[in-house]
Amino acid sequence: ELKVEQNPLFLSMQEGKNYTIYCNYSTTSDRLYWYRQDPGKSLESLFVLLSNGAVKQEGRLMASLDTKARLSTLHITAAVHDLSATYFCAVADTNTGNQFYFGTGTSLTVIP
Amino acid sequence: KAGVTQTPRYLIKTRGQQVTLSCSPISGHRSVSWYQQTPGQGLQFLFEYFSETQRNKGNFPGRFSGRQFSNSRSEMNVSTLELGDSALYLCASSLDRTPEAFFGQGTRLTVV
Repeated sequence: ELKVEQNPLFLSMQEGKNYTIYCNYSTTSDRLYWYRQDPGKSLESLFVLLSNGAVKQEGRLMASLDTKARLSTLHITAAVHDLSATYFCAVADTNTGNQFYFGTGTSLTVIP
Repeated sequence: KAGVTQTPRYLIKTRGQQVTLSCSPISGHRSVSWYQQTPGQGLQFLFEYFSETQRNKGNFPGRFSGRQFSNSRSEMNVSTLELGDSALYLCASSLDRTPEAFFGQGTRLTVV
């Protein structure tokens, strides 16, 4: 079974600081997703990474994918309070359908 | 265009009862997947339906079942509810094995 490890589980950071969330997965996959979840809400799609070396940026968030290392990172630049949320990475197994395997999530709190 | 619609948004049930949750995917999407989210186990895959056929199933007991109708709407049923079934149930829709998957707002089930 495909396994996805995400760290850290909890992250408290001051506004204006930078930090990186890491996502490792166990077997080959051609799709890596990052989602954001606010308390009590659903999953909001942030990035879809489809190839080795893919890098995508949206505002203060940048995601990258290294398929050889089976590693994706979500980098936060100059954090602001509005980024406080839980971030999940997910890997898709498309061999048998469209099943997602999720990481444990990183609960990010940005302190003013 | 309309997003993924899940109904009801909240449910309170008693142990031993059964429950049916509904998911209407984005128009044109034929793949619907269901996930259970709990604080202890995180996001876990329940099953996926495509064109009225179950294409993949996660590691859940037979009390969890689902179906998909010809209009792609999907329902999941949980029989003989247990306290541990309390969770946020999310469905996701996609065209097929395409990169994008969109999640509904979820149904919060509480079993008492």
